[in-house]
Amino acid sequence: DIVMTQSPDSLAVSLGERATINCKSSQSLLYSYNNKNYLAWYQQKPGQPPKLLIHWASIRESGVPDRFSGSGSGTEFTLTISSLQAEDVAVYYCQQYYSSHLITFGQGTRLEIK
Amino acid sequence: EVQLVESGGGLVQSGESLTLSCTASGFSVSNNYINWVRQAPGKGLEWVSLISSGGDTYYADSVKGRITISRHNSKNTVYLQMDSLKTEDTAVYYCARELWSAGYRAGALDLWGQGTLVTVSS
Repeated sequence: DIVMTQSPDSLAVSLGERATINCKSSQSLLYSYNNKNYLAWYQQKPGQPPKLLIHWASIRESGVPDRFSGSGSGTEFTLTISSLQAEDVAVYYCQQYYSSHLITFGQGTRLEIK
Repeated sequence: EVQLVESGGGLVQSGESLTLSCTASGFSVSNNYINWVRQAPGKGLEWVSLISSGGDTYYADSVKGRITISRHNSKNTVYLQMDSLKTEDTAVYYCARELWSAGYRAGALDLWGQGTLVTVSS
C-alpha cells in the first residue's frame, strides 16, 4: 500500500504569513496515461467533514480562495497558504489515489495561529 | 441541492451488526463512484470502501470480510453493512463522491456528507 507522510504534524503561523505543508508518498502518484498526479488536499474544521481544496496536485476547486495553492509531482507535494487568515485554522490532509482503487490519507497537519 | 446524507449510526455492542445509509440528492449514485471514509475520535481519515458506477466494490484490508457496500438505485442510496463490529470500528462514517474531471476519474472526493457516528462498546 502507498503510505502518505505529512510534515510537520502541527504548524503555527502568524496572520498574513505563509504556511507550507508537505506531503510525501511512498511511490510516485504520476499517472503516465494522462500525466496527472493523483494527489488531493483537504481542509477539515472541527465538527465538519473534510472539504476538497485541490485535486491533481495543483487544480484548485471552485470557490477555494486563491491564497491556497498546490505544487509538486511524483512523490513530493506541497500545500501553500500564501497569507494566512483566521478562518484557515484547521487540520489539512493530503490524499492519494493511484492503484487498485485504494485511497490513503496522510496523518494530517494541524494549522494554528501564532 | 446536491448533497449526501448519512444515517444509521448508533451505539452497538462488540460483535453486533449495523447498516449505514448514504442518500444522495441532486445527482444519481448509480452514475458516480461513492466512497465511505471513517474518522475515529480525535484521529485522521481512513478510507473504508468504494462502489463504482458499474457496481464494482472495493474494501480496505482493515474491514475486508466484515463490511459490504451496496447500492439501491431507485432509492438513490448507498449502504454500508457492517458485521462483527469491533471497538476499533468506533468512528464517524462519512460517505463521499469521487470527482470526475476532464473525462477522467480524479481520485479526489468532492462532495461529503456530514457523517454518522458509530460507537462500538465492549
